[in-house]
Amino acid sequence: GQSLEQPSEVTAVEGAIVQINCTYQTSGFYGLSWYQQHDGGAPTFLSYNALDGLEETGRFSSFLSRSDSYGYLLLQELQMKDSASYFCAVSNAGNMLTFGGGTRLMVKP
Amino acid sequence: DARVTQTPRHKVTEMGQEVTMRCQPILGHNTVFWYRQTMMQGLELLAYFRNRAPLDDSGMPKDRFSAEMPDATLATLKIQPSEPRDSAVYFCASGLGSSGGRETQYFGPGTRLLVL
Repeated sequence: GQSLEQPSEVTAVEGAIVQINCTYQTSGFYGLSWYQQHDGGAPTFLSYNALDGLEETGRFSSFLSRSDSYGYLLLQELQMKDSASYFCAVSNAGNMLTFGGGTRLMVKP
Repeated sequence: DARVTQTPRHKVTEMGQEVTMRCQPILGHNTVFWYRQTMMQGLELLAYFRNRAPLDDSGMPKDRFSAEMPDATLATLKIQPSEPRDSAVYFCASGLGSSGGRETQYFGPGTRLLVL
């Protein structure tokens, strides 16, 4: 089976940096994805890591350590619009995603 | 701007009734996924199609749920009979079927189902 652990909630202030961690246990691991979901909205893709290291896309970065079965999403220069839920998800060769329970990020002024 | 569309967006029905949810994947995408989202269980994969063929439906209760792709532009998820515990948001997602696990899934807006 597959399981993912991520914090249920994180609070940060506007302009700050926040890191959302994700640990996983899985068989047939191919990569780790991150999705953002605003209240009432649909999940939208943020990033994907298949290899160890850091991937940067604008204010968002994602990191993966395959040996530690660990990854994180780093959000910099937080804005109010970043308040949302963030899901990590592991994928297998068949492109199926197993999602973590999600981390609710609240950005305060 | 290409999007996954889902109908209906909201559905309220009574226990025992049949519910049909429809999804139009992004043109050119060859993978389709159905997910269910609840507060308690989070996002769960129900079914997965590639080139219209069902590849995995292990997450779907077989006794009452069924998923099909009559053609490349339409995927359906049916619940018959519906039960209150089926109340959830059902998302459809599509992708290009990239190899090696690297696939961006594009989610539709979801169908919010309430079974009374």
